[in-house]
Amino acid sequence: DIQMTQSPSSLSASVGDRVTITCRASQSISRNLNWYQQKPGKAPKLLIYAASSLQSGVPSRFSGSGSGTDFTLTISSLQPEDFASYYCQQSNSAPERLTFGGGTKVEIK
Amino acid sequence: QVQLVESGGGVVQPGRSLRLSCVGSGLTFSNYAMHWVRQAPGKGLEWVAVIWYDGINKWYADSVKGRFTISRDNSKNTLYLQMNSLRAEDTAVYYCAREPSGGSYGTTALDYWGQGTLVTVSS
Repeated sequence: DIQMTQSPSSLSASVGDRVTITCRASQSISRNLNWYQQKPGKAPKLLIYAASSLQSGVPSRFSGSGSGTDFTLTISSLQPEDFASYYCQQSNSAPERLTFGGGTKVEIK
Repeated sequence: QVQLVESGGGVVQPGRSLRLSCVGSGLTFSNYAMHWVRQAPGKGLEWVAVIWYDGINKWYADSVKGRFTISRDNSKNTLYLQMNSLRAEDTAVYYCAREPSGGSYGTTALDYWGQGTLVTVSS
């Protein structure tokens, strides 16, 4: 099974900061990697699909990169509404299995 | 706009059964693969199951295989999750989510999610 490891598990940042979250796969998953944002008590929201494609309606300050085993989600200038948890998800083994990373909680500094 | 609304959650004793439903609106439901994803209290996301547009192709997480059954009624725009032999570790918010295709290999993202329904397994 493919394991997904996110780092850090949490971080504190200020409005306007550049934030980078990393996701590492236990084996190559090509570019079959998606990113979600989840706010407390709410459903996850798709931000990035296929490693670097921005989902419709998502602000351009969000970007994704990577391929193979190492991926990053970058928020270029953190906004108050971006304080949330972020999850990566691999789809390389779909449809038999989808796997999420453990999540990264972005908190206010 | 696309809406997915789950129902059927509640408190259930270990070993008992529960059926969740997810009604879709604002989409041609029969065109899309649908997933269940769960989240235990204070924990991360765990994929549970997928059913393709045709209702024939289905896959499950190892943690629920043999106990849970995913199904759909396209005439009612409804997705189901039949959960049998429930365990304390099945306690979670259960989300239904849409895959923007009828079913795919290797490119699955989940673009619309319901608000979730809480299942608590406790004696």
